[in-house]
Amino acid sequence: DAGVIQSPRHEVTEMGQEVTLRCKPISGHNSLFWYRQTMMRGLELLIYFNNNVPIDDSGMPEDRFSAKMPNASFSTLKIQPSEPRDSAVYFCASSPNGGGQPQHFGDGTRLSIL
Amino acid sequence: AQSVTQPDIHITVSEGASLELRCNYSYGATPYLFWYVQSPGQGLQLLLKYFSGDTLVQGIKGFEAEFKRSQSSFNLRKPSVHWSDAAEYFCAVGAAGNTPLVFGKGTRLSVIA
Repeated sequence: DAGVIQSPRHEVTEMGQEVTLRCKPISGHNSLFWYRQTMMRGLELLIYFNNNVPIDDSGMPEDRFSAKMPNASFSTLKIQPSEPRDSAVYFCASSPNGGGQPQHFGDGTRLSIL
Repeated sequence: AQSVTQPDIHITVSEGASLELRCNYSYGATPYLFWYVQSPGQGLQLLLKYFSGDTLVQGIKGFEAEFKRSQSSFNLRKPSVHWSDAAEYFCAVGAAGNTPLVFGKGTRLSVIA
């Protein structure tokens, strides 16, 4: 089975540029999560979707961050404009519906903002 | 609300020695409990999960964990550590409904010869 697929794996860009991270969840999974991981703050939940609908975006750090899930097989996380402090590894995870289901993680996108 | 505490930030063990990583959770009902492992440059991989039933659960890579309700703990164990087990380990707790897991801050495991 194909796992969660994230692209790109690495992104290096200059501050002020728009960054778009992409995620394809596991087929049949109804919940999708975006996380950010840094040495200082650890693993942070940014936003999650159930059945393509954003449920909780309280973890999104600023209005510069936005996420969409136009269909069950695709989601994007966009940063505009990007800043050096956005440098981190961004993970996407998906899970089936239902209580306490394990989340399956992609390999992440390592983002560096210069 | 759920919470997870992993008291040890970093643990070093010798190859071949036994391992126990601690995890304590806070949740009012019977929790769903998970252990994940993250190797450098990789995402989090599920090691094992506890939903109900037998309190000792077996996972991949020779790991096991024991749920102890009285101690609100879900410690991860391995009888003999291999150098390839060096990684970051995360404990997580889940609740009923479509809510995200709550992760601990992780324990970094180093393995020495």
